[in-house]
Amino acid sequence: DAGVIQSPRHEVTEMGQEVTLRCKPISGHNSLFWYRQTMMRGLELLIYFNNNVPIDDSGMPEDRFSAKMPNASFSTLKIQPSEPRDSAVYFCASSLNREPNQPQHFGDGTRLSIL
Amino acid sequence: ILNVEQSPQSLHVQEGDSTNFTCSFPSSNFYALHWYRWETAKSPEALFVMTLNGDEKKKGRISATLNTKEGYSYLYIKGSQPEDSATYLCAPRNSGYSTLTFGKGTMLLVSP
Repeated sequence: DAGVIQSPRHEVTEMGQEVTLRCKPISGHNSLFWYRQTMMRGLELLIYFNNNVPIDDSGMPEDRFSAKMPNASFSTLKIQPSEPRDSAVYFCASSLNREPNQPQHFGDGTRLSIL
Repeated sequence: ILNVEQSPQSLHVQEGDSTNFTCSFPSSNFYALHWYRWETAKSPEALFVMTLNGDEKKKGRISATLNTKEGYSYLYIKGSQPEDSATYLCAPRNSGYSTLTFGKGTMLLVSP
């Protein structure tokens, strides 16, 4: 049973470039979460979707960040233009539904470095 | 942002020691508390989901308790092994927030 799949695993790019992170949730899961992990803030929620609809994007840092979920099996997180302070590990997670007793299943993350 | 505190921040024990850490969170309007185990260079894995006051969960040598009235949960590891070395995250959810809020974790290192 495949888990949450994220790509790429690593991304190094120059500031100003557009960055697109991808996520495939576990089949049948209808909630999807994007997190950013930094030393300072720990694991912080950026946005989450339920049934492909964005429910809470209050954690998205600024207009340079956008996320989409065009269908139940795919989501993207885009940063345009990227800045060095965006360097972090970005995790995608999915769960069966948004009920509080359902655990979240995490992908392996994308390590992003903006030079 | 929901205020979640985990203590200690880090812990170094010897193989065979038993240990415990704490997660504190606001007790009002509690929904659920999750514990996750996060090994270095891997992704967080769910350990427990707890919803009721007085809940106790156990998985092998790891167990957790929950007190929703006072807003804390304890995670215990009995007879720590080097493979238990990881960061342990707690994540409560209260009704005022639409999803989980993760604490910064307790980093455990178990030396052989």
